[in-house]
Amino acid sequence: ELKVEQNPLFLSMQEGKNYTIYCNYSTTSDRLYWYRQDPGKSLESLFVLLSNGAVKQEGRLMASLDTKARLSTLHITAAVHDLSATYFCAGGVSTASKLTFGTGTRLQVTL
Amino acid sequence: DTEVTQTPKHLVMGMTNKKSLKCEQHMGHRAMYWYKQKAKKPPELMFVYSYEKLSINESVPSRFSPECPNSSLLNLHLHALQPEDSALYLCASSQGLTSGRAKNIQYFGAGTRLSVL
Repeated sequence: ELKVEQNPLFLSMQEGKNYTIYCNYSTTSDRLYWYRQDPGKSLESLFVLLSNGAVKQEGRLMASLDTKARLSTLHITAAVHDLSATYFCAGGVSTASKLTFGTGTRLQVTL
Repeated sequence: DTEVTQTPKHLVMGMTNKKSLKCEQHMGHRAMYWYKQKAKKPPELMFVYSYEKLSINESVPSRFSPECPNSSLLNLHLHALQPEDSALYLCASSQGLTSGRAKNIQYFGAGTRLSVL
């Protein structure tokens, strides 16, 4: 059974700083998703990574996937307050509809 | 358009009530999902419908009963719930499993916040 772990669980960072959220998964997963969730709101799809070495970027967020290390990272560049939210990674396989979510990382960007 | 619409947004019900949650999408997606999310926790998968057939039931208690009347609609019927069932219930849809490297991104609705008294 696929297990997904994220760290850190909570991240407080200053505006303008860089940081990385890590997502480890336990068994073979051929797709890795990143979602954002604002408090009391739904989940917004950010990235899907389908192959080893895949890198996707949108604004100040960049996601990458290393299938050999079973690791995905979400890198935040020059954080701004608007990025404050909870970020989830989720692993899946192409032969099943099920996603397994990580524990989530609550990001708080302070002035 | 990547919109998944859920109604109602909020629901308060007693333990003896029967109620239903509704979910609708018009993206032509063939897979639809119900998730339960408690505060500060990740979503937990409850059910998956693929091509209008139930394909995954994550050992959900029978007081939750899903229904997929057609490819655009998904219902969750609630009966005799317990206070611990209070949570945010999220519906999602995706293209469904296809051959090749389809992304199969799940798009989520805004959720129904359920309180069981």
